[in-house]
Amino acid sequence: DTEVTQTPKHLVMGMTNKKSLKCEQHMGHRAMYWYKQKAKKPPELMFVYSYEKLSINESVPSRFSPECPNSSLLNLHLHALQPEDSALYLCASSQGPFGNTIYFGEGSWLTVV
Amino acid sequence: AQTVTQSQPEMSVQEAETVTLSCTYDTSESDYYLFWYKQPPSRQMILVIRQEAYKQQNATENRFSVNFQKAAKSFSLKISDSQLGDAAMYFCAYDYGGSQGNLIFGKGTKLSVKP
Repeated sequence: DTEVTQTPKHLVMGMTNKKSLKCEQHMGHRAMYWYKQKAKKPPELMFVYSYEKLSINESVPSRFSPECPNSSLLNLHLHALQPEDSALYLCASSQGPFGNTIYFGEGSWLTVV
Repeated sequence: AQTVTQSQPEMSVQEAETVTLSCTYDTSESDYYLFWYKQPPSRQMILVIRQEAYKQQNATENRFSVNFQKAAKSFSLKISDSQLGDAAMYFCAYDYGGSQGNLIFGKGTKLSVKP
């Protein structure tokens, strides 16, 4: 059973829509992550919240916006996405940012039409 | 630059046999961590095994073990008594603490298990 819960599991959205992906972890971890994964590729880090401080992968476009309401919740707000943004979005958490096992959720599969 | 290389895009093993997946990495750091993750078709990334670079002893987890050669920067995964449920994509990953703890992944090895 995963202790990192992501909703929704599947999302189809138009290029003008605004939607959000949600993630919750129940392990008391202080670092949470968003990764993007294209088919047959490894995950790519998008954002890290570590001890409530945000770090951004500078290659991530501004149409992706993370939000961390508290240490257990992590949202990814989506606006004006492009078809090439269609991918599996993985949320993950760990006790801290270095050396600790990163636990992944089951992912949210996003399709942009 | 930190890189992780998995030279075998695909591997196949007979059920109950042993298979070894290779991984090499490039680093100038002395303190770091290495991981093997498994991603079955269900998509969830699951930790298989974790190795601390300052520990010479190879990590083991039941049927899974690693051969960690620090000088050679090699970190191979051995799966013994392979089972059908081992079929998945396997990613080798490296964490040196840079960029807020980003994991650097290899491109993955797709493992098939034949009954």
